[in-house]
Parts: sequence; structure tokens; C-alpha cells
Amino acid sequence: KQEVTQIPAALSVPEGENLVLNCSFTDSAIYNLQWFRQDPGKGLTSLLLIQSSQREQTSGRLNASLDKSSGRSTLYIAASQPGDSATYLCAATASGGSYIPTFGRGTSLIVHP
Amino acid sequence: KAGVTQTPRYLIKTRGQQVTLSCSPISGHRSVSWYQQTPGQGLQFLFEYFSETQRNKGNFPGRFSGRQFSNSRSEMNVSTLELGDSALYLCASSSRDRASYFMDGYTFGSGTRLTVV
Repeated sequence: KQEVTQIPAALSVPEGENLVLNCSFTDSAIYNLQWFRQDPGKGLTSLLLIQSSQREQTSGRLNASLDKSSGRSTLYIAASQPGDSATYLCAATASGGSYIPTFGRGTSLIVHP
Repeated sequence: KAGVTQTPRYLIKTRGQQVTLSCSPISGHRSVSWYQQTPGQGLQFLFEYFSETQRNKGNFPGRFSGRQFSNSRSEMNVSTLELGDSALYLCASSSRDRASYFMDGYTFGSGTRLTVV
């Protein structure tokens, strides 16, 4: 059974810092790994999707990497801004099955001015 | 274009009652998935419907059920509510018409906050 862990659970940083959020998964036979953002009381917004054959994806100040062999993915946020404050979740979809994604518990990020 | 619409946004029910939540997907999307989110368990998959058929089901008791209509709108029902059913219920729709969950194709609604007292 796939298990996804996100570290740290919470993070508070001053504006302008570069951040790394970590996601680890137990079953390396994944189809894809995706990062989402969730604002309080809202649904999930897709940020980046990495297919199993890819090593990283970039969108603006965000960069996500994937290392299947070690069961890890990282989300790098450059030059953080207060508007980045949200909960970030990763989801791993295992291959060879029903393609149901397993979510981590998320990292709650606060960027203060 | 309109996003995924979930109604109602908030709901308070008493233990033992039943509840029905509604999800209207993005126009043209045929796949609708439901998730339960709680502080203790995080985000958990409930079930997925495609063309009025349940295609996948998570590990939830039979009190949780759903259906999808011909216009792709979906409802989920929880019978005999328990305190532990208090959660944010999220719906996601996708234009993907095969069992390859790319997830970037999924759009989430804002959710229904259910409180059971």
C-alpha cells in the first residue's frame, strides 16, 4: 500500500527566502507525482505534475523534482512571497493498478512580510 | 468557463441523519471523483464516476455511496451519520476519458464542509 509523507508539516519563513518542501513515497512504481496548493477553505489547485519518466518540472518560481529510486520528490519555491502562504500537498499515483492517487498530509506554509 | 461547483458549502447534521452532497463538473467533463479531507487522515479517495458508472472505489464503509447523472453531475450520500464523518468533502472533475489519472486534468471544487453534531 502506497504511503506518502510530507516534511515538514509546517513552515514559517520571511519573505524572499528560497524554500524546499519534501515528499516521500513508499512504492517507487509510480505513474506520476503531483504537487497541489490548497488555500484555507478552498479546493486544490494543481501546481506541477511529474510523469514517472521525468526528473523535474518547472513553472515560474516553482520547480519540482522526482527521484523514484529513493522515493522522493521536492518542491522548490524561489523568492517566496506572502501570497505563497497555503498548504502544499503532494500526491503519488501508483502504476499497474486503479490509478488512484495517494495524498500526503501536506506542508502548511506561512510567508510573512 | 465555470469551475466545479459543489453545494452546499456548509452543512450541519445530527448523528444518525443522512446527507446528500452535490457536484456539478466543468462542462464537458465526464469523470467526477470524490474525496474526504480530515485533519487526522488527510485527503482520502472515496469513489470515481465516469459516464454514470462507478469506476473506482476507496476504502470507505457502505454508508458512503454516490451516483452520477447523464449530465455528469454527481451526488454523494452518507447515511447514518457519525461524528467521525465531519470533514471537508471535495469533488474533482476531469476531461480524461480513460483510466490514466494525469491529475493535471482534474479541477477541484471548493468543497462542502460537513459538521456532524
